[in-house]
Amino acid sequence: GAVVSQHPSWVICKSGTSVKIECRSLDFQATTMFWYRQFPKQSLMLMATSNEGSKATYEQGVEKDKFLINHASLTLSTLTVTSAHPEDSSFYICSALRTGRWGYTFGSGTRLTVV
Amino acid sequence: GNSVTQMEGPVTLSEEAFLTINCTYTATGYPSLFWYVQYPGEGLQLLLKATKADDKGSNKGFEATYRKETTSFHLEKGSVQVSDSAVYFCALSDRRRSSASKIIFGSGTRLSIRP
Repeated sequence: GAVVSQHPSWVICKSGTSVKIECRSLDFQATTMFWYRQFPKQSLMLMATSNEGSKATYEQGVEKDKFLINHASLTLSTLTVTSAHPEDSSFYICSALRTGRWGYTFGSGTRLTVV
Repeated sequence: GNSVTQMEGPVTLSEEAFLTINCTYTATGYPSLFWYVQYPGEGLQLLLKATKADDKGSNKGFEATYRKETTSFHLEKGSVQVSDSAVYFCALSDRRRSSASKIIFGSGTRLSIRP
């Protein structure tokens, strides 16, 4: 079956530093990946849609310069939280859409804590 | 725009009780409907789905029927187990041909099952 690996599963960083989160489709190609953010006890909010080889499409209210997304290959998308602050602490989840097929596979999420 | 409304939690039931989690949606066209489950500390897993009116999705004893006339997709299970304790998300996806579809999530319902 389709598997998406998200790394790291948790990270603690200092304010002002940058953190990179990777989302890999292990056994399929994913032209499109999605990045979500989830606050405690709340739903998932779509941050951006990542398309291989092109710029990501950000949802309204999401800072492009703050959350850098790169989708350089058909199996890897990265989210970099730049100059992180405590309010960026959250659970970040990616999902991948299989190329040519219909169905979404989610990663296991990354819990980011900024201290 | 598209949206999903699901019953607020938390929901606490005794083992072997009957479960219903209500979900209604607003969408243009003919969306696909999903239920996702999130176990503590983990990412989302697809529980079941339905892609057209009157379809019934089922998995692990859970069922939900796509009701276009009432714009609903209520989740049911006849006899819950302690292992069903998790957060359940109702979601929809439009089916645009020109680009990858986004998934819109409901707010989530936390389910706790007492032994």
